[in-house]
Amino acid sequence: QKEVEQDPGPLSVPEGAIVSLNCTYSNSAFQYFMWYRQYSRKGPELLMYTYSSGNKEDGRFTAQVDKSSKYISLFIRDSQPSDSATYLCLATGGTSYGKLTFGQGTILTVHP
Amino acid sequence: GAGVSQSPSNKVTEKGKDVELRCDPISGHTALYWYRQSLGQGLEFLIYFQGNSAPDKSGLPSDRFSAERTGGSVSTLTIQRTQQEDSAVYLCASSLGAVTGELFFGEGSRLTVL
Repeated sequence: QKEVEQDPGPLSVPEGAIVSLNCTYSNSAFQYFMWYRQYSRKGPELLMYTYSSGNKEDGRFTAQVDKSSKYISLFIRDSQPSDSATYLCLATGGTSYGKLTFGQGTILTVHP
Repeated sequence: GAGVSQSPSNKVTEKGKDVELRCDPISGHTALYWYRQSLGQGLEFLIYFQGNSAPDKSGLPSDRFSAERTGGSVSTLTIQRTQQEDSAVYLCASSLGAVTGELFFGEGSRLTVL
């Protein structure tokens, strides 16, 4: 079992839709959770960062962590064509410091 | 420089040749990571450096892969006797420390083995 699992999609939505991206993880010691966005032929860039459980909001983006179920989510409101990218989740902490394990990535397309 | 710099950006080589990929991290970043991304796939962890030492080499796919980091800065990933399955984008990232996972990535080196 991979430490971080993510549905690769692809996911295609119309502009303006609410997008929900999800990951599960297996290591209960993980306490740092991140979402990275990767545009085609570019390196990933940090989008959202959360420590422990709870929600974090930044503009149209909301990151949610439920440590009891080992579930992390990213919500995108009012999705735009410019949101089309691959979204990767990352979980780390405990004894896994250093070996940072990403989910497989979800390919999102927002069509006008 | 302002960001993580990788070279070459593209490399086409013949099966059996050796290749070297270079990563120049953000100044002051002590942690450096190499990942491999095959077409349509996620990020596969290869190796991590803290300073010049590599506490975790568990991701290197075979003994044909090696990496070093000198002066706590530039890192080189070497692939010997390349195989077609080595074709991928090799991404380098750096961070201030190994704890929080706030990685800054380069644009990657796209390797094609013919």
